Amino acid sequence: DAGVIQSPRHEVTEMGQEVTLRCKPISGHNSLFWYRQTMMRGLELLIYFNNNVPIDDSGMPEDRFSAKMPNASFSTLKIQPSEPRDSAVYFCASSWRGNTEAFFGQGTRLTVV
Amino acid sequence: AQRVTQPEKLLSVFKGAPVELKCNYSYSGSPELFWYVQYSRQRLQLLLRHISRESIKGFTADLNKGETSFHLKKPFAQEEDSAMYYCALTGAGTALIFGKGTTLSVSS
Repeated sequence: DAGVIQSPRHEVTEMGQEVTLRCKPISGHNSLFWYRQTMMRGLELLIYFNNNVPIDDSGMPEDRFSAKMPNASFSTLKIQPSEPRDSAVYFCASSWRGNTEAFFGQGTRLTVV
Repeated sequence: AQRVTQPEKLLSVFKGAPVELKCNYSYSGSPELFWYVQYSRQRLQLLLRHISRESIKGFTADLNKGETSFHLKKPFAQEEDSAMYYCALTGAGTALIFGKGTTLSVSS
């Protein structure tokens, strides 16, 4: 298995544009997480899916953020409209159970100008 | 509410010196504690977890429930230990949450 795969690796977009980040979890894992990493806040949990169902989305900062998991092998995190303060590295991670070791993707570095 | 606190943003030590990265937590039940490491240009990866009680790359961490701490220790730091270290916590039905991280810098 290639591990958790995220795309794109880098994204530069203008303020107001829609941004979609993608994640393919490890096959067989049933839990998926989206995190945001910044210097000021460290690694913040945005949303947690279990068996494709959102369990905890309390970390999603605003209505501009939405996440979906249409099937066990794909998830998206969408920001619409994007703002400069959304600039960060976004990580996707998966595990076979929510409270076991999480495997991380390489991250997507988002820059909103 | 569950919370992980890493009080030091940056820890700088010389090669061969002992290292202790502090982690305190707040959780009402029985947590599982982890240390994750992120080396330069690599993805975040698990370093060790408290239930396994093992030493990885010379690092150990003991869960102290009385002090609600899970400090990471290594007796002799190496330059290749330079990285960002995150303490993390999870519990029954909850996602993994992280502290803000500590950058360890080991110089010769």
